[in-house]
Amino acid sequence: NAGVTQTPEFQVLKTGQSMTLQCAQDMNHEYMSWYRQDPGMGLRLIHYSVGAGITDQGEVPNGYNVSRSTTEDFPLRLLSAAPSQTSVYFCASSTGAGNQPQHFGDGTRLSIL
Amino acid sequence: RKEVEQDPGPFNVPEGATVAFNCTYSNSASQSFFWYRQDCRKEPKLLMSVYSSGNEDGRFTAQLNRASQYISLLIRDSKLSDSATYLCVVKGHGNNRLAFGKGNQVVVIP
Repeated sequence: NAGVTQTPEFQVLKTGQSMTLQCAQDMNHEYMSWYRQDPGMGLRLIHYSVGAGITDQGEVPNGYNVSRSTTEDFPLRLLSAAPSQTSVYFCASSTGAGNQPQHFGDGTRLSIL
Repeated sequence: RKEVEQDPGPFNVPEGATVAFNCTYSNSASQSFFWYRQDCRKEPKLLMSVYSSGNEDGRFTAQLNRASQYISLLIRDSKLSDSATYLCVVKGHGNNRLAFGKGNQVVVIP
């Protein structure tokens, strides 16, 4: 099993560009989420999904869109990139059951110029 | 008050020594607790879950104090490879949303 796969690993964008960060998991997990991590701060939840067709906002959703058309995939879209979105982005998944932890992807390092 | 609070450190620990740190959480209804390890901005990886009665995994011991709303992590016989940031993670009741602390940075010194 590959677990949680994120692409790309690194990306540089210009202000105003749009792009999609990909996340896929092969563990049949219902729950998936996107976080961003900035220096000196903990991981902050952007959006999450409890199953195909269901998404909801997290702590810092502005400037990002998500969709969940399949159980496996949970892409994160930046609509119009801003320098404040320079960060490391992590996708995670879990079964959603009880005391089960989340499994993280390797992260996407995104720089907005 | 932040949902999960940790003293970021760094905690400079001589090799072979014991180090312990706490994490406090604000939501008394929180049900699940974890310690994750994160190396150099790589992805967080589960170190151990924290159970009500406390639990041990090799040199690592985790404790939960619901009355005072904190969890703790103790590392015995520290190794150089233990140098990392340890994230306290709390899951609310009835949902899967995790709240992360900023992490305790541990630096094991030869």
